[in-house]
Amino acid sequence: NAGVTQTPKFQVLKTGQSMTLQCAQDMNHNSMYWYRQDPGMGLRLIYYSASEGTTDKGEVPNGYNVSRLNKREFSLRLESAAPSQTSVYFCASASPNEQFFGPGTRLTVL
Amino acid sequence: AQSVTQLGSHVSVSEGALVLLRCNYSSSVPPYLFWYVQYPNQGLQLLLKYTSAATLVKGINGFEAEFKKSETSFHLTKPSAHMSDAAEYFCAVSGPGYSSASKIIFGSGTRLSIRP
Repeated sequence: NAGVTQTPKFQVLKTGQSMTLQCAQDMNHNSMYWYRQDPGMGLRLIYYSASEGTTDKGEVPNGYNVSRLNKREFSLRLESAAPSQTSVYFCASASPNEQFFGPGTRLTVL
Repeated sequence: AQSVTQLGSHVSVSEGALVLLRCNYSSSVPPYLFWYVQYPNQGLQLLLKYTSAATLVKGINGFEAEFKKSETSFHLTKPSAHMSDAAEYFCAVSGPGYSSASKIIFGSGTRLSIRP
């Protein structure tokens, strides 16, 4: 039982490059989330998926797209990376009483 | 609208001293409230949660928090700090229209330092 896994752990991109962050959970949760964490700002919700086949914007969705591939997997895509997207990205999945977090992806955009 | 405010971005206490991390919330529905801990270069781990049962909630590592509706507070305490408690702590409240963990709004975090 691995919980929530994320790949990659670290990534450096140049401005304008694209990439996809992968997330998977093995807890059979319906809800999954993508957050970004920046110093002094806590975690801000980018996108979430309440169930397979549905996605919704969170607080800071601009510059990102998501895909809920199946119940287990929820990916986050940056189509044209910008320096403002330098951050630590966390994926989470939720039961009704708790959210479970992955270890994070540290992304730097030069 | 739901929101959470953590008072103090950095708290420093001596080893063995009381730890008190403050959190105030606003919510239009009975809230779920959470404290998460983040150790350096790691993800978030749930410390404890309030889900409308007992108002005094005990969590892992000796932490506890008390839900006070009249004060809209959910402060985190630990009687005696240990060096291993040094970390960032996040208070969170369930999102608008939710009384669950389905949508959570996080505070900005409090970094706890422990002095030897």
